[in-house]
Amino acid sequence: AQSVAQPEDQVNVAEGNPLTVKCTYSVSGNPYLFWYVQYPNRGLQFLLKYITGDNLVKGSYGFEAEFNKSQTSFHLKKPSALVSDSALYFCAVSPYSGYALNFGKGTSLLVTP
Amino acid sequence: EAQVTQNPRYLITVTGKKLTVTCSQNMNHEYMSWYRQDPGLGLRQIYYSMNVEVTDKGDVPEGYKVSRKEKRNFPLILESPSPNQTSLYFCASTSSGESSYEQYFGPGTRLTVT
Repeated sequence: AQSVAQPEDQVNVAEGNPLTVKCTYSVSGNPYLFWYVQYPNRGLQFLLKYITGDNLVKGSYGFEAEFNKSQTSFHLKKPSALVSDSALYFCAVSPYSGYALNFGKGTSLLVTP
Repeated sequence: EAQVTQNPRYLITVTGKKLTVTCSQNMNHEYMSWYRQDPGLGLRQIYYSMNVEVTDKGDVPEGYKVSRKEKRNFPLILESPSPNQTSLYFCASTSSGESSYEQYFGPGTRLTVT
């Protein structure tokens, strides 16, 4: 069975500081890993994915994530947070393909001026 | 513009009254799915479809039906809604090729069953 854990319900960071949103996963087989963002009253938007290759993947809006196989983690990072980054972030995993995703519960990111 | 549309966006109904939430995508994607989002539970997949006339259950299929008669449309049917189906529903379609596995989500349908 596959699962995703986002251990923090909320992350608070000051504008201009680096941010990290944590994600760990459990899956049999090679994981397909994703991050999505949800702004208020909107659907989810794709940020980035890891399927194979370089462990550091870069995505939209200056976000990046590092795949760490030994720690089964896929943390989302950004060097300098913006107030407009405030949103709900979801990590998702799928074994074997990118179709049947299992989403984490989400982490609310609040960036304060 | 590539998009997934859902209708209605908001719906208040009563227990037992059949309803359908429509979903349509204009990207020619083969894979489509329905999720429900509940506070503290994240997104859970209800049903998915690999292609026309091919559908299968997700993690929480009870009380729901789907059909896929055309590639672009994937309606969600609640034959006899109950209050525990009050939720925020999202339809999504998934790309293949160079943008493989990126899911495009609709704007959501907020359903309240009284």
